[in-house]
Amino acid sequence: QVQLQESGPGLVKPSETLSLTCAVSGYSISSGYYWGWIRQPPGKGLEWIGSIYHSGSTYYNPSLKSRVTISVDTSKNQFSLKLSSVTAADTAVYYCARDNGSGEGRYWGQGTLVTVSS
Amino acid sequence: QSALTQPRSVSGSPGQSVTISCTGTSSDVGGYNYVSWYQQHPGKAPKLMIYDVSKRPSGVPDRFSGSKSGNTASLTISGLQAEDEADYYCCSYAGSYTLVFGTGTKVTVL
Repeated sequence: QVQLQESGPGLVKPSETLSLTCAVSGYSISSGYYWGWIRQPPGKGLEWIGSIYHSGSTYYNPSLKSRVTISVDTSKNQFSLKLSSVTAADTAVYYCARDNGSGEGRYWGQGTLVTVSS
Repeated sequence: QSALTQPRSVSGSPGQSVTISCTGTSSDVGGYNYVSWYQQHPGKAPKLMIYDVSKRPSGVPDRFSGSKSGNTASLTISGLQAEDEADYYCCSYAGSYTLVFGTGTKVTVL
């Protein structure tokens, strides 16, 4: 069974870089699919951040593109998110998910809350 | 890339049917047959209910159905049950391997 687990600091200071990792079990990232990040501010809706194909190609939300980097480490079977120059508006639950590239996301992590505050 | 538009809330009595709309543009919903729907209960991760406009993953009750006409997609829940009370989000492919989510709809079972 495919499982995803987010990890990373729960508190980040304004202007710093948010870094999260998603560990995947039950499936080898290098075998295929798109691996993405989605966030949800408290009490608000879902926002697609971006994804990485198993080959390493990346795709980002145009509104976040200048601040986002998604990378993959196939040796550890995990992928990562970096969001730079964060503000309070980046406070959210961050989810990682496996997608087929067209929104068919059958597997999600449980989510991790990241708060941006000094 | 703007969020797809959904009604803020819909409600229905047990056994009734409710329909949630998801309006986009010709660059997303109208341009591709790649609309999915997610159910999210409080404090939980979203769960895929419909993909490719009208396909159901195994394990999803056939009470859930999807359709699309032009730039608007729809999710219908027939025979509404108490456990269907949740937030629902549509998601559309928007070209160049990007995705866009809807604003979300709260379904209340009266």
